[in-house]
Amino acid sequence: AQSVTQPDIHITVSEGASLELRCNYSYGATPYLFWYVQSPGQGLQLLLKYFSGDTLVQGIKGFEAEFKRSQSSFNLRKPSVHWSDAAEYFCAVYAGNQFYFGTGTSLTVIP
Amino acid sequence: EAQVTQNPRYLITVTGKKLTVTCSQNMNHEYMSWYRQDPGLGLRQIYYSMNVEVTDKGDVPEGYKVSRKEKRNFPLILESPSPNQTSLYFCASGTFQSSYEQYFGPGTRLTVT
Repeated sequence: AQSVTQPDIHITVSEGASLELRCNYSYGATPYLFWYVQSPGQGLQLLLKYFSGDTLVQGIKGFEAEFKRSQSSFNLRKPSVHWSDAAEYFCAVYAGNQFYFGTGTSLTVIP
Repeated sequence: EAQVTQNPRYLITVTGKKLTVTCSQNMNHEYMSWYRQDPGLGLRQIYYSMNVEVTDKGDVPEGYKVSRKEKRNFPLILESPSPNQTSLYFCASGTFQSSYEQYFGPGTRLTVT
């Protein structure tokens, strides 16, 4: 079965610092990969996606992610975090008509 | 405005009392799906539908039913709710003609006592 692992349950960063959220997936072929963000009390919003081609993808709100096939990873990055980035972040995989989500990483931003 | 709507947003019910959570989208999407979100478990797919009259089980279908009689609607039915179905439920829709992006509804907070 497919699986998505987000090893970091919670991360705290200072405003203006860089950010990297980790995501590893388990799937035989190259899956379709996504990062979603969930603000408190809200639904999920797509940040970016990877299907094929350039392994570095750009998303909204200044986020980017890099697909590394050899490591089965799709880590999310942002060079400079803003206080409004505090939220829950989910990595997801689409495979076999289904979506599989990681357990999420909660991001706290301190001034 | 393109959106996915869910009703009700909050529901408290008792064990065994049948309930339906409605989901509707106005984007003509083929794909619709239901998820439950529980602390520490992320989102888990309950059921999905590739198109009208085509539904299939996700990872946690036990205790749930769905139907897709119209393209825009995808109700979630709990025929005999139990306390372990207390959760936050999200409906989502998407089109796979280009992006595979899912659009999520605002969520339904269900409590079963």
